[in-house]
Amino acid sequence: GENVEQHPSTLSVQEGDSAVIKCTYSDSASNYFPWYKQELGKGPQLIIDIRSNVGEKKDQRIAVTLNKTAKHFSLHITETQPEDSAVYFCAASRRSYIPTFGRGTSLIVHP
Amino acid sequence: EAGVVQSPRYKIIEKKQPVAFWCNPISGHNTLYWYLQNLGQGPELLIRYENEEAVDDSQLPKDRFSAERLKGVDSTLKIQPAELGDSAVYLCASSGDRSTQYFGPGTRLTVL
Repeated sequence: GENVEQHPSTLSVQEGDSAVIKCTYSDSASNYFPWYKQELGKGPQLIIDIRSNVGEKKDQRIAVTLNKTAKHFSLHITETQPEDSAVYFCAASRRSYIPTFGRGTSLIVHP
Repeated sequence: EAGVVQSPRYKIIEKKQPVAFWCNPISGHNTLYWYLQNLGQGPELLIRYENEEAVDDSQLPKDRFSAERLKGVDSTLKIQPAELGDSAVYLCASSGDRSTQYFGPGTRLTVL
């Protein structure tokens, strides 16, 4: 089955800096790659996603890049703010749309 | 638009007791998922419904876990009997296009 590796497990940045979280996947048939933000005591919230026919997607301060050849994708957050502090999960899925999640990255943005 | 609703939010029980979780998906979403999330881990799928049909339940421990989605709307996940290792957060999600998933707040289960 699919295996998704995510790193780093913890990322600490100063407010205003950029943050990058990287994921690799094993199943070359995966074609949908969502990113979720999970705040304490809440369920994961979809923040951005990308499909295999696109190499990059942006939404204001967040962007995702996908390299299908290398089977890795990354989340980029620019101009980080304290409210960006949360756990971020990447996921990958095939046509059945059952995502396999990474283990999560705890992002801490210091004011 | 209301999001995915789950109840209860927290549940503490003793081992060997039964427990049930309830989920109300976003209106019009035909696909419903139950996930298990252990501390420090990503969600792991337990079961997926398309309307009232369970189409992917290979990860559901059927000796003690059961689920139903009567009338293809609300869903209930049950554990009987609960074990210490079942302590986790149980998440429900729904989707209207079978790709974009919307998660509820989860039920945190503690088994003593």
